[in-house]
Amino acid sequence: GAVVSQHPSRVICKSGTSVKIECRSLDFQATTMFWYRQFPKQSLMLMATSNEGSKATYEQGVEKDKFLINHASLTLSTLTVTSAHPEDSSFYICSARVPGALRDTQYFGPGTRLTVL
Amino acid sequence: AQSVTQLDSQVPVFEEAPVELRCNYSSSVSVYLFWYVQYPNQGLQLLLKYLSGSTLVKGINGFEAEFNKSQTSFHLRKPSVHISDTAEYFCAVSGTAGNMLTFGGGTRLMVKP
Repeated sequence: GAVVSQHPSRVICKSGTSVKIECRSLDFQATTMFWYRQFPKQSLMLMATSNEGSKATYEQGVEKDKFLINHASLTLSTLTVTSAHPEDSSFYICSARVPGALRDTQYFGPGTRLTVL
Repeated sequence: AQSVTQLDSQVPVFEEAPVELRCNYSSSVSVYLFWYVQYPNQGLQLLLKYLSGSTLVKGINGFEAEFNKSQTSFHLRKPSVHISDTAEYFCAVSGTAGNMLTFGGGTRLMVKP
């Protein structure tokens, strides 16, 4: 149980385009999902907390107009990188908090490698 | 606010040798502690976690960790490593009142034949 998927796993796009990344909880409902980015050989940095049915909470320094987050259902959160630039190239990972007895644990998706040319 | 320090960025070790990956944290509130493993180009997989109870926690793949409150540490150990354990390991902490994870910088475990 507690499987989280991401799509796509890898995307290459031209500078100036927008890219949407999906994060799905496959076998549970997640009221809260998280989006992280990871630069090569570095740790994960939390970008935002996504709550179903409400606006996402962004970490300091993360541009909310550039990284649009939508958590429209209990099993899906999307991250849209708008007008992507080469410096946005990174590994984006989502996680979901499992409700109930395991509510204090986050389960992570496999990540999405974004390369902006 | 919490912070996590993983003292070793890389740990080389021979196959079948024991290993310890160190993790220290700082927090003004009670914490939950986690170890995750990341294989190349993949997401994070939960190895083990400490929420309460016994300070010695056993996880998957033969790993265990011990919570030491006085030393604010949560070191990860395995008595005998395999080549397949080569990966990046992350220690993380969250407050018991919330669910935001703070990660350490990661430790790359390199198991040599």
